[in-house]
Amino acid sequence: DAMVIQNPRYQVTQFGKPVTLSCSQTLNHNVMYWYQQKSSQAPKLLFHYYDKDFNNEADTPDNFQSRRPNTSFCFLDIRSPGLGDAAMYLCATSSGEVNEQFFGPGTRLTVL
Amino acid sequence: AQSVTQLDSQVPVFEEAPVELRCNYSSSVSVYLFWYVQYPNQGLQLLLKYLSGSTLVKGINGFEAEFNKSQTSFHLRKPSVHISDTAEYFCAVSARSGGYQKVTFGIGTKLQVIP
Repeated sequence: DAMVIQNPRYQVTQFGKPVTLSCSQTLNHNVMYWYQQKSSQAPKLLFHYYDKDFNNEADTPDNFQSRRPNTSFCFLDIRSPGLGDAAMYLCATSSGEVNEQFFGPGTRLTVL
Repeated sequence: AQSVTQLDSQVPVFEEAPVELRCNYSSSVSVYLFWYVQYPNQGLQLLLKYLSGSTLVKGINGFEAEFNKSQTSFHLRKPSVHISDTAEYFCAVSARSGGYQKVTFGIGTKLQVIP
């Protein structure tokens, strides 16, 4: 089945220690998104790639970076995680005009 | 810019009772509308979508929603809920903004089905 895969599902890191979350897709969608979701809140868009074009949301902290080496993979790098970065990180993909988004299962990040 | 308002943060309902989760949106351009469901520690799964045509759309798990353009609403309904419907539900609107199609999510409604 075509899908969006996120690894790992659970990630524990220490305050200030860089961490990378990964996302891969078999849907061949040209758009990939990273969202941050804190408890009882809506997903908050961090950035997205339209093909290779990177689009950063204005309020996304510089501490968050992303890489998309090819169509299938996208990475979220948190350079110096703080306690406030503990959250669920969701990867999603879409294609076409409608922008129906397909989500991965998420990575829950804990910062100690 | 578009926005989405989910009027109820939590909705408790007894098993086999009907439920309606409310969603209103605002946008200066035409929109596509979605409802997603999220189970604990999982990603969002599409329940249903309105793109065009019939204003009553049917989705998975027995859910349906009605698009009302005059009231800018897209309420989600199910005639008889099950325990397994306990989850968080997000309404979302997709509209063109800044040159690309942007999705905005509501804050979510937690549906708690009581046995």
